[in-house]
Amino acid sequence: GQQVMQIPQYQHVQEGEDFTTYCNSSTTLSNIQWYKQRPGGHPVFLIQLVKSGEVKKQKRLTFQFGEAKKNSSLHITATQTTDVGTYFCAPTSGTYKYIFGTGTRLKVLA
Amino acid sequence: EAGVAQSPRYKIIEKRQSVAFWCNPISGHATLYWYQQILGQGPKLLIQFQNNGVVDDSQLPKDRFSAERLKGVDSTLKIQPAKLEDSAVYLCASSSLGVAGEQYFGPGTRLTVT
Repeated sequence: GQQVMQIPQYQHVQEGEDFTTYCNSSTTLSNIQWYKQRPGGHPVFLIQLVKSGEVKKQKRLTFQFGEAKKNSSLHITATQTTDVGTYFCAPTSGTYKYIFGTGTRLKVLA
Repeated sequence: EAGVAQSPRYKIIEKRQSVAFWCNPISGHATLYWYQQILGQGPKLLIQFQNNGVVDDSQLPKDRFSAERLKGVDSTLKIQPAKLEDSAVYLCASSSLGVAGEQYFGPGTRLTVT
């Protein structure tokens, strides 16, 4: 099946460091959603990006949609232990819908 | 607002047995999804319903998996017969806006096939 690649696959950071995960697609996307899944939990919606070059912020989280609408990033400033979990992108395009990315597992060391 | 409800939360069965999962979406949500999440992977869509009609079941292994959504509310997902590779968490999600809407996930059912 189709896969949407996210990098990195794993990231360990010291508390207070920044973190970024990238989501890359080979096709132009209609929109992209981001979800967070805590260990043992279920995915929780974070944000949806629709416009080319769109940037949205939620407190310490910054989400960006690429100008060509083929990639997206999630940046966390000054990570906290509550940020631990796996971050998934879920892009939508004419080719596929509801394909979740491979995920980036974040571990924050106190 | 009550969230998406799923039951059971855990199920252990032997291969070749059958199993059924139940989902009750958020009230008023027309779109319901079933996902399979294998450990260490992202959720994989199995089937999407819009009200009580199937929108997409292209990744549902129809020789063993079936799903229905009677009256456009609750849904059941069945596996018969189960295989070892079906061990996974089965997540139900619902949304109010179809492809444009954020999805609200239930807690999932963890299935272990021995």
